[in-house]
Amino acid sequence: DVKVTQSSRYLVKRTGEKVFLECVQDMDHENMFWYRQDPGLGLRLIYFSYDVKMKEKGDIPEGYSVSREKKERFSLILESASTNQTSMYLCASRPRGGANVLTFGAGSRLTVL
Amino acid sequence: AQSVTQLDSQVPVFEEAPVELRCNYSSSVSVYLFWYVQYPNQGLQLLLKYLSGSTLVESINGFEAEFNKSQTSFHLRKPSVHISDTAEYFCAVSVGYSTLTFGKGTMLLVSP
Repeated sequence: DVKVTQSSRYLVKRTGEKVFLECVQDMDHENMFWYRQDPGLGLRLIYFSYDVKMKEKGDIPEGYSVSREKKERFSLILESASTNQTSMYLCASRPRGGANVLTFGAGSRLTVL
Repeated sequence: AQSVTQLDSQVPVFEEAPVELRCNYSSSVSVYLFWYVQYPNQGLQLLLKYLSGSTLVESINGFEAEFNKSQTSFHLRKPSVHISDTAEYFCAVSVGYSTLTFGKGTMLLVSP
């Protein structure tokens, strides 16, 4: 089975800190995604990547950046964390072809104080 | 651009009762439709999908959904729910291999 691993399940950071959320998948998927999940708002796409060193903005990219230096790893970066970035962050991946089915990680719950 | 509306934020139901979780979408072109489930403290898992062909699709744990093009709906149903079905359910839509657009989710609460 495809596995998407988010290394940090829970993080607590202070306003203004730089935050890295890491995501690794082990099935050679070309496409990787970062969503944030908030109660009553569902999942909103932050950034995605179709290949190494490629990135595309999603619906809510402001305040975030990403890095994809290796195919299996997709990092979400909060340059200067703010309290309104307190949320659950979900990473997902899928292969280039196929049925557009995403495999999700377990999520990283970030609290910014 | 496509959009998804899940009409109920929360659906309480008793164990062994039937349930329907509603999903409507908006798109000017043909779409792919999905239901994902999120159990507590976990990521999302695919429950079922409609890509083409038969409009009725089923999952391995007794859920089914029917694609209704005229009503632009993809409602999820189960004839008899279990406590273990308690979870949040997300409907999603894509146009081809474009990025998925998710609904806001419906929390299914099954009580004894």
